Formats: sequence, structure tokens, C-alpha cells
Amino acid sequence: QVQLQQSGPRLVKPSQTLSLTCAISGDSVSSNSAAWNWIRQSPSRGLEWLGRTYYRSKWYNNYAVSVKSRITINPDTSKNQFSLHLNSVTPEDMAVYYCARGDGDLDYWGQGTLVTVSS
Amino acid sequence: QSVLTQPPSVSAAPGQKVTISCSGSTSNIGNNYVSWYQQLPGTAPKLLIYDNNKRPSGIPDRFSGSKSGTSATLGITGLQTGDEADYYCGTWESSLRAVVFGGGTKLTVL
Repeated sequence: QVQLQQSGPRLVKPSQTLSLTCAISGDSVSSNSAAWNWIRQSPSRGLEWLGRTYYRSKWYNNYAVSVKSRITINPDTSKNQFSLHLNSVTPEDMAVYYCARGDGDLDYWGQGTLVTVSS
Repeated sequence: QSVLTQPPSVSAAPGQKVTISCSGSTSNIGNNYVSWYQQLPGTAPKLLIYDNNKRPSGIPDRFSGSKSGTSATLGITGLQTGDEADYYCGTWESSLRAVVFGGGTKLTVL
């Protein structure tokens, strides 16, 4: 059974970097058949896919146009986890952030982390 | 505004059937598989349907999915009060190389 456990600060100051980690059990971040995604949800934006990382003989990333200039998603093979870094945050980045596994279909999700952007 | 269009809400009585539509375009639904997710209050979305009409293990056959052209439909039969949730469609958007979702549909079981 795949489990995704999220961790990271729940409060971030405006203009700073939001960083979250998703620890994987029951699968490998280096899997040749999975992709590892970050999604966020807010009342104003609904469900918004942010990006993904995946391994197919080498590492690839895809990012949403809306955050492409501010986002990085990195795999950590030594800890079997992946991370989200979103810089220059504003109050519009306040949302529940989820990690999820899937290459199209998102079949396993983390528990969600409510991130508040406030000074 | 979401790339995929869903009705904001639907309702039906217990035991009845309901359908939820999801409309897109050739660059998303028209050429890619559709997934459906159920989100109960305060929880993460849960995969209900994948590859247009397949159910993951543990999802009852009361839930079904179909796709025609650039639209997809989620069907739920034998409605139960526990089915009250938000339902989202999702697919790959080829032009953006991104996953896209519908705005969600709130199901009320009267």
C-alpha cells in the first residue's frame, strides 16, 4: 500500500519561500512508471496542479504555467521523497497543498497541508 | 476559471441516480484519459474513476464513468447520504503539458 506523508511549515511570510516535503512509502520516487505531483486547493482557485517530477532513465519535470517562474520540484532518492519549493509567495498562494502519485490519474494523495501566508 | 467545465451542483434523493458532466476540448478530454475524484469534507481527493471508465480496487460499481468526444460523465446509482461530497474531473492538457481539473460539483443527497 502506497502512503504519502507530507511535512513542512504551515506559516510562510510574504516574499519568502514555501517548502514542503512528501515522504513515500510503498513505492519509489525513482519508479519508471510513476510520477510525483504537487497540487493545491483554495476556495478561489479550486484544485490547481502545480507540477511533477518523474524518472524515465533520467529525471524530468513539468510545471504549471501559473507558477513556472517560481517553482521547483526535486526528488530525493536517498530519502525516497520529493519536495516542493515555491518562492516569492503572496497571500494568493495560501491554500491546502497536496502531494500525489500518478502519471495522469492521481491514485494516492498525501494528507494535505494548509499553508498560510502572513507576516 | 477552470479548463474543464462542470456544473456547480447536482442533487437527487437517496436510492436515485445522478450524472455529473465534464466538458473540455480536443487538447484535453478529446485526446486523453479522464479521471474522477471524490472529496469528502476535510479530506484529500480520492480517485474514483481512471482511464475514462475504470474503477480502482475498492470502489463500488455504483460509480461509473464514460467519455464521448470532448465530454465525460460520472454516474452514481443507488445514492447514499455518504455520497455527499465534491466531485472533480481531471485529465492531461496536451497543449500545456499539465494536469487540469474541473471546478468541481457539489452533490447533495436530499
